[in-house]
Amino acid sequence: AQSVTQPDIHITVSEGASLELRCNYSYGATPYLFWYVQSPGQGLQLLLKYFSGDTLVQGIKGFEAEFKRSQSSFNLRKPSVHWSDAAEYFCAVAPDYKLSFGAGTTVTVRA
Amino acid sequence: DTAVSQTPKYLVTQMGNDKSIKCEQNLGHDTMYWYKQDSKKFLKIMFSYNNKELIINETVPNRFSPKSPDKAHLNLHINSLELGDSAVYFCASSQGANGELFFGEGSRLTVL
Repeated sequence: AQSVTQPDIHITVSEGASLELRCNYSYGATPYLFWYVQSPGQGLQLLLKYFSGDTLVQGIKGFEAEFKRSQSSFNLRKPSVHWSDAAEYFCAVAPDYKLSFGAGTTVTVRA
Repeated sequence: DTAVSQTPKYLVTQMGNDKSIKCEQNLGHDTMYWYKQDSKKFLKIMFSYNNKELIINETVPNRFSPKSPDKAHLNLHINSLELGDSAVYFCASSQGANGELFFGEGSRLTVL
């Protein structure tokens, strides 16, 4: 069965600084990988996805993620964080209809 | 127009009661889901319907019964509510099994 691990429960970053969120997955074949963001009191929104091809994928809101098969990782990055990026971030893997989420990383942005 | 809409947004009820949450999507998707998010923000899939057919039914108590009258609607009925049912329930939709889900804003259920 597939699983997703997000090692960081909470990250605090200064506005304007770079952000990196870690995600490791466990899956037997090539997975479909996703990052979703949940703003307070809201539903989840897809930031970006990886299905195949170029291992560096670009998403919305200036985010990017890199798939590294050798490390079973799909880390999310943003070069310069804005206060509006404060949210919960979920990594997910989907071999089929059953999208499995990691436990999430809470990002706090300080002024 | 809201793509995936859920009603009600908040639900406060007593143990033992029965309640329903409704979900509608106007994206033309063929697959709909119910996810439960607990107090630690962990998301777990409960059910999924594809073209009105149940395709995922996780280990959820029989008190939970989904119903999909058509591709655009997926409702969740919960009988004999328990304290542990308190959570945020998210409806979502997708086109096929590509994992690109569109989520509603959630329905926060509080059981007293």
